[in-house]
Amino acid sequence: EAGVAQSPRYKIIEKRQSVAFWCNPISGHATLYWYQQILGQGPKLLIQFQNNGVVDDSQLPKDRFSAERLKGVDSTLKIQPAKLEDSAVYLCASSPTGYEQYFGPGTRLTVT
Amino acid sequence: KQEVTQIPAALSVPEGENLVLNCSFTDSAIYNLQWFRQDPGKGLTSLLLIQSSQREQTSGRLNASLDKSSGRSTLYIAASQPGDSATYLCAVWRGGGADGLTFGKGTHLIIQP
Repeated sequence: EAGVAQSPRYKIIEKRQSVAFWCNPISGHATLYWYQQILGQGPKLLIQFQNNGVVDDSQLPKDRFSAERLKGVDSTLKIQPAKLEDSAVYLCASSPTGYEQYFGPGTRLTVT
Repeated sequence: KQEVTQIPAALSVPEGENLVLNCSFTDSAIYNLQWFRQDPGKGLTSLLLIQSSQREQTSGRLNASLDKSSGRSTLYIAASQPGDSATYLCAVWRGGGADGLTFGKGTHLIIQP
């Protein structure tokens, strides 16, 4: 069974630029999560989708971050404009029920 | 608001030692607790998942215990090896709708050859 796929794996941008990350969950998993992991911290939930609907986006900085999950499968997370403090690893996870979450390899973002 | 704390933040031990990593959480209303391993530049690998009704889970040299009432979990690693060097993260799941994991900051473990 293929795992959660993410791309790109690494991205370097300048502040005020925009960036997008892509996630392909495990086939059949209804729930998809985006987490942000700042260096030295544990991952923090940004947004949770159930199929293509948002369940929880309470910790998503909506003035600059947006996310969508079209057709309940793939998802994209966008940052526009990026700030220095957005430098982090962005992890995507999926789950059939939420009970156990499976994580992708992450995208490491560096904002200079 | 759920808070998860992991102690110690970092640990360096010689190969072969048995060791214990600690995790505590403030809200005992959890459905399960997971221990993950994270290697540098990599994603998270699930090691053990303990349901709230369980006391412990074992996988090979790893044993995780859960005391839900006191808000504590421990990860025991037996006969440590250099390949065990990684960051170990503890996460709790509340379940029921908006149910992202709440993570601790992790324990950075180094096993000296």
